[in-house]
Amino acid sequence: QVQLQESGPGLVKPSETLSLTCAVSGYPVTNGYYWGWIRQPPGKGLEWIGSIYHTGTTYYNPSLKSRVTISVDTSENQFSLRLNSVTAADTALYYCARPRVGASLDPFDLWGQGTLVTVSS
Amino acid sequence: DIQMTQSPSSLSASVGDRVSITCRASQGIYSSLAWYQQKSGKAPKLLLYGASGLESGVPSRFSGSGSGTDYTLTISSLQPEDFATYYCQQYYGSPQTFGQGTKVEFK
Repeated sequence: QVQLQESGPGLVKPSETLSLTCAVSGYPVTNGYYWGWIRQPPGKGLEWIGSIYHTGTTYYNPSLKSRVTISVDTSENQFSLRLNSVTAADTALYYCARPRVGASLDPFDLWGQGTLVTVSS
Repeated sequence: DIQMTQSPSSLSASVGDRVSITCRASQGIYSSLAWYQQKSGKAPKLLLYGASGLESGVPSRFSGSGSGTDYTLTISSLQPEDFATYYCQQYYGSPQTFGQGTKVEFK
């Protein structure tokens, strides 16, 4: 059974860097999928952050592109998100997810449980 | 970016009701449209893709239709477990974008 699990600090100070990891179990990240990050501010809608292929090819939401880096660690079977210069507007539930058929533009059929990151001093 | 506008933003319904939610894209998205259900505190669950394709394991009371810029999610007979928030998503253009959500509440 394929599972995704997000991990990382739940509290980040303003202007610092948010770092999260998504551990993938039951499926190799090298097996032809674009792995994605999506976030959801409390009580609000969903925003796609970006996606990465196991070769390192990335696609980012232009609204966040200047602050986002997504990377993949094939040896650990995980991928990561870094978002720098955070503000309170970055407070959100952060999900990692796998698309249905693996394309960079594709609905997500497998999601992690999500991890809440609060930006506050 | 392609803007996705859902309506209504919320609705009240009873068990057994037929419910429809619409999603309008700011440009044509050629049926590259998905629908998700999200319950409180849970990750979204994919219901439909390609505007009308039912995801495996999703009950047949959920259906989707539409083309061009206008799409509809229909629940033929609302069940107690269907009270949730529903989101549409376009994946025709990057960045893929979501509607603002429709909350289906108990009347």
